Amino acid sequence: GAGVSQTPSNKVTEKGKYVELRCDPISGHTALYWYRQSLGQGPEFLIYFQGTGAADDSGLPNDRFFAVRPEGSVSTLKIQRTERGDSAVYLCASSLVGGTQSSYNEQFFGPGTRLTVL
Amino acid sequence: DQQVKQNSPSLSVQEGRISILNCDYTNSMFDYFLWYKKYPAEGPTFLISISSIKDKNEDGRFTVFLNKSAKHLSLHIVPSQPGDSAVYFCAASGGDYDRGSTLGRLYFGRGTQLTVWP
Repeated sequence: GAGVSQTPSNKVTEKGKYVELRCDPISGHTALYWYRQSLGQGPEFLIYFQGTGAADDSGLPNDRFFAVRPEGSVSTLKIQRTERGDSAVYLCASSLVGGTQSSYNEQFFGPGTRLTVL
Repeated sequence: DQQVKQNSPSLSVQEGRISILNCDYTNSMFDYFLWYKKYPAEGPTFLISISSIKDKNEDGRFTVFLNKSAKHLSLHIVPSQPGDSAVYFCAASGGDYDRGSTLGRLYFGRGTQLTVWP
């Protein structure tokens, strides 16, 4: 079956602009995660959805970042007033259910969206 | 505060030899550990995992060892193959209950670039 897909694959924007990044999880996966990977770093957690609700948004760096998952499937990460420091690869992952990770509940990652803020 | 650390940014190994990638963590509440492999322009893919109730898990050429007292885990690849050349991320989940953080959130190290040469 299809894996996690993310669009666009690349996004170049100017400082101060608004951007939206989209994630299509694996069909049937109820849990969805957003991570951000800056150059030379590992992925850093942003937010986790269980169904339609954000179960944990403690990783969002500030109120310019917001994410939604209105129907419990596709999710959109929204960044307002972008700054150069927002430049990174934004990764989305999904898992069958939320909660404890296990060999039966691993997170599957998409290819990411590379965001460049000029 | 980096709770998962991979202190070797790179490792170079000859084909057929053993590759040993190391990872240390600081949060004693972590109860599940994973290794992800990442090729350029792709998302991380799950490789192998281990629960904190075990000290070893083996899957084909890949073995993960966990030393809870030392808060250390390692990934052994035997024999190494050129196709194993990639960035390897160590990740952990669990813990942080005091902050109300949900289970399932992954904490990643910075990664180790493995190069296997013929």
